[in-house]
Amino acid sequence: ELKVEQNPLFLSMQEGKNYTIYCNYSTTSDRLYWYRQDPGKSLESLFVLLSNGAVKQEGRLMASLDTKARLSTLHITAAVHDLSATYFCAVDGGAQKLVFGQGTRLTINP
Amino acid sequence: DARVTQTPRHKVTEMGQEVTMRCQPILGHNTVFWYRQTMMQGLELLAYFRNRAPLDDSGMPKDRFSAEMPDATLATLKIQPSEPRDSAVYFCASGFLGPGNQPQHFGDGTRLSIL
Repeated sequence: ELKVEQNPLFLSMQEGKNYTIYCNYSTTSDRLYWYRQDPGKSLESLFVLLSNGAVKQEGRLMASLDTKARLSTLHITAAVHDLSATYFCAVDGGAQKLVFGQGTRLTINP
Repeated sequence: DARVTQTPRHKVTEMGQEVTMRCQPILGHNTVFWYRQTMMQGLELLAYFRNRAPLDDSGMPKDRFSAEMPDATLATLKIQPSEPRDSAVYFCASGFLGPGNQPQHFGDGTRLSIL
């Protein structure tokens, strides 16, 4: 059974700092997704990572995938308040059947 | 932008009542998913359809939940009878299984409260 674990689950950081969210998964997969969710809102797709060594960047966010280590990271550079949200990784267990991590609630303080 | 549309956005009802949630997937998507989100369990996949055929509903309590896709523009999730433990946010998502590996697109959810 595919299990997906994120850490940390809660992260409070100051504006301008850098930090990384980790996503570990238990069985082989070559498709991993990162989503963002604002309170009371839907999930918004951020990144699709399809192969080992894949790296995607959008603004202050950068995601990478290491399929051999079964690890993805979401790196935040010079955080700003607008990035406060809950971030989910999701791993494709086959035929687009996604298993989600618990989510990382990120709070960025001025 | 194309969107997944869910109705109703909010539903409050008493225990034992039937609840029907509806979803209009993005035109051209061939896969529809139903998820439930709670604080305790996080995001759980309840059921999904490909080309309108049910593929997996193992995440759903079979005795009270049912999911159907009567046509390509409508998916439904029903709970009968509803119980307080069914209170959650229910999301519908659609996607396309094929070249390109596009992400699933989520609707705004139905926030369900069973009293």
